[in-house]
Amino acid sequence: EAQVTQNPRYLITVTGKKLTVTCSQNMNHEYMSWYRQDPGLGLRQIYYSMNVEVTDKGDVPEGYKVSRKEKRNFPLILESPSPNQTSLYFCASSFPGANGYTFGSGTRLTVV
Amino acid sequence: QKEVEQNSGPLSVPEGAIASLNCTYSDRGSQSFFWYRQYSGKSPELIMFIYSNGDKEDGRFTAQLNKASQYVSLLIRDSQPSDSATYLCAVKGAGGTSYGKLTFGQGTILTVHP
Repeated sequence: EAQVTQNPRYLITVTGKKLTVTCSQNMNHEYMSWYRQDPGLGLRQIYYSMNVEVTDKGDVPEGYKVSRKEKRNFPLILESPSPNQTSLYFCASSFPGANGYTFGSGTRLTVV
Repeated sequence: QKEVEQNSGPLSVPEGAIASLNCTYSDRGSQSFFWYRQYSGKSPELIMFIYSNGDKEDGRFTAQLNKASQYVSLLIRDSQPSDSATYLCAVKGAGGTSYGKLTFGQGTILTVHP
């Protein structure tokens, strides 16, 4: 089944403890992206990647890192999480020029 | 001005009525426009996309695009309680660093009551 898989689905962590949210797609998509979703603000892009080893900042990149060492994987790294990073995170992928994205199931992160 | 704007609602319509959802965008060079449906706690699901001015119909859904007015809308005919969800308008960047990027509006909450 074609899909984007995110892990974990839920995570509660403490301020400053490094964490990684994994994202993997099995559709051979070149384009991958991370979004966060907050009430009243919609989906905002954190980082995106056009292909392996090609990444760039989105609209809200502060406090996040990404890497794209393999085409299928695009992990999101929070080196020192803070409470304002409490949010619902989505990974998405597509072919360039495709009709929209395929989204993962989401990761609900709480930083206390 | 936000790049993509939607009325946050909530929009409440009776079962069987037409629900009309609206979206405006600021980048005049945008070429591709999308409507996603998102149920509470779930991921966004693509329901319509449109590239050309005019109407595009798919079942009970009609997307309308007016590039001169920078306006996109979604009509849902014969609304059902199962249509109750948040509807997200998204606009795709035309090129350069925006190529492939979807910019989303804040979403409109739709409630269809029996």
